[in-house]
Amino acid sequence: AQTVTQSQPEMSVQEAETVTLSCTYDTSESDYYLFWYKQPPSRQMILVIRQEAYKQQNATENRFSVNFQKAAKSFSLKISDSQLGDAAMYFCAYRNPNAGGTSYGKLTFGQGTILTVHP
Amino acid sequence: EAQVTQNPRYLITVTGKKLTVTCSQNMNHEYMSWYRQDPGLGLRQIYYSMNVEVTDKGDVPEGYKVSRKEKRNFPLILESPSPNQTSLYFCASSLGFGTPFQEDEQFFGPGTRLTVL
Repeated sequence: AQTVTQSQPEMSVQEAETVTLSCTYDTSESDYYLFWYKQPPSRQMILVIRQEAYKQQNATENRFSVNFQKAAKSFSLKISDSQLGDAAMYFCAYRNPNAGGTSYGKLTFGQGTILTVHP
Repeated sequence: EAQVTQNPRYLITVTGKKLTVTCSQNMNHEYMSWYRQDPGLGLRQIYYSMNVEVTDKGDVPEGYKVSRKEKRNFPLILESPSPNQTSLYFCASSLGFGTPFQEDEQFFGPGTRLTVL
């Protein structure tokens, strides 16, 4: 079974600085998708960025970028120019798009990392 | 506005009193799913549905039931709630199997905070 591990329960960053959140995963599949979700205090789950495993290029979305190391099964999120609104819980998630049965569509989540942004 | 709605948003109940958490989406999505979120465990899938009348267990289905009689609705039923079901629950939906990845984002509801005393 696939597992996702976020080893940093909490992280903090100064406003305008850069922070990197770590995520590792375990899978025997070669084709899969990885995601970072943001959960602010409102509890809403917001998709931040996604990466397709077969793509070599790291995904970027404005101030958010990933460092995807397929061989190492590592998928870290870098937030540049951190803003107060970035404070939230961040979840890393895995999905196998080709799985049938009970695995189709399922997102496997990590434990989450609470990010605090200091003014 | 395209959205997933859940009701109630907050619920405090007692052990053994049957309850239903409703989930509805207005995007004509085929795939719907329920997750529970617990501290230190992230989100775990409870049940999912590929389409109307097609449901199956996720990773933590014990103590829960679901039904999918209409495409837009996917209620979560706790027939005899217990304190270990105290959690934050999320419903999610997406277009479904066969959809190109870039179009198959999962949309989450706002969450339901359930406390079982």
